[in-house]
Amino acid sequence: GAVVSQHPSRVICKSGTSVKIECRSLDFQATTMFWYRQFPKKSLMLMATSNEGSKATYEQGVEKDKFLINHASLTLSTLTVTSAHPEDSSFYICSARSSGNKYNEQFFGPGTRLTVL
Amino acid sequence: GQNIDQPTEMTATEGAIVQINCTYQTSGFNGLFWYQQHAGEAPTFLSYNVLDGLEEKGRFSSFLSRSKGYSYLLLKELQMKDSASYLCAVRSWALADSWGKFQFGAGTQVVVTP
Repeated sequence: GAVVSQHPSRVICKSGTSVKIECRSLDFQATTMFWYRQFPKKSLMLMATSNEGSKATYEQGVEKDKFLINHASLTLSTLTVTSAHPEDSSFYICSARSSGNKYNEQFFGPGTRLTVL
Repeated sequence: GQNIDQPTEMTATEGAIVQINCTYQTSGFNGLFWYQQHAGEAPTFLSYNVLDGLEEKGRFSSFLSRSKGYSYLLLKELQMKDSASYLCAVRSWALADSWGKFQFGAGTQVVVTP
């Protein structure tokens, strides 16, 4: 149980285009989802916290108009990188948490490798 | 703010024991987690401590001292498949989420040699 999927796993796009990444909880309802960004050999940096049906809460320094987050259902959250630029190239990981699991830990998706040319 | 420090890399031989230390500074502490992450893959949950003491789970054990802001992950009987990055994550109370949000250390790359 507690499987989280992400799609796509890899995406290459041209500078100026927008890219949407989907995060799905496959076998549980995720009341809260999180989006992280990870640079090579660096820690996961929390970008935003998303509660189903409400606006995402962004961490300091993360542009909400640049990284659009939608959490319309208990099993799906999307991250849209708008007008992507090469500096947005990174590994993006989502995680999901449900109420009721033993430690209320987060379950992570497999990540999406974004390369902006 | 929070600072989470852990060593960058550790090397050990198959069958040996390795201890990965993690120190942290935080306000509103609500648990410390250890995750394992293989390159290019999602982190997977290993252990959780919220009270002081040792939690044992098979070959993996984790220890916490809240007063010292210190935790360690102990890996026993190392196997080649244990070669991975081990992430220390501290959960702290946050307005955005009733259970708090995570801050991760940079990870410790464990290399297991034959």
